[in-house]
Amino acid sequence: QQQVRQSPQSLTVWEGETAILNCSYEDSTFNYFPWYQQFPGEGPALLISIRSVSDKKEDGRFTIFFNKREKKLSLHITDSQPGDSATYFCAASGEKITFGAGTKLTIKP
Amino acid sequence: AQTIHQWPVAEIKAVGSPLSLGCTIKGKSSPNLYWYWQATGGTLQQLFYSITVGQVESVVQLNLSASRPKDDQFILSTEKLLLSHSGFYLCAWSRDSYAEQFFGPGTRLTVL
Repeated sequence: QQQVRQSPQSLTVWEGETAILNCSYEDSTFNYFPWYQQFPGEGPALLISIRSVSDKKEDGRFTIFFNKREKKLSLHITDSQPGDSATYFCAASGEKITFGAGTKLTIKP
Repeated sequence: AQTIHQWPVAEIKAVGSPLSLGCTIKGKSSPNLYWYWQATGGTLQQLFYSITVGQVESVVQLNLSASRPKDDQFILSTEKLLLSHSGFYLCAWSRDSYAEQFFGPGTRLTVL
């Protein structure tokens, strides 16, 4: 049972463009949604997170848009840089945490 | 600042051999601790969690066991490795069950 879905599985954008990564969930008790960035051979690093009481969270070039009614959220990365190339995991948490399958993002210079 | 250390960095082991992986968190007392497994290119599967010394809860059954002998230490082990145990093992900590989790650098395990 996949409670957290991410799309697309992989995404390629040009440097300077905006990358949009999508995430949806099923369990309405989830109330905290962290996004993690993982480079090959490293542990995931917390990138940005949002709580269900908010509909938007911004941190520099990274913004989460959250739609509680539709149980969807998205991560927007503006002015994409080659150093942003990584796998991004969406997670949903209440008392337990569930991770999505990840989106592999490639930024072409 | 909190730091999380995992050892070893990588292991190559034979099928049927024993395994012990370790994790230490410094700078945070009484953290929640977690073990995750990640296949190459895969998602993060939580294996165990612990909210206090000596207490460990299993999330999935993978012929692995975990122990928390000290407040800052989490151990993952098995007496007999399977080929399916190959992957990337990650330790993580959080302030409590509802807080964000922070991951260690991971241990790459190859079972031959």
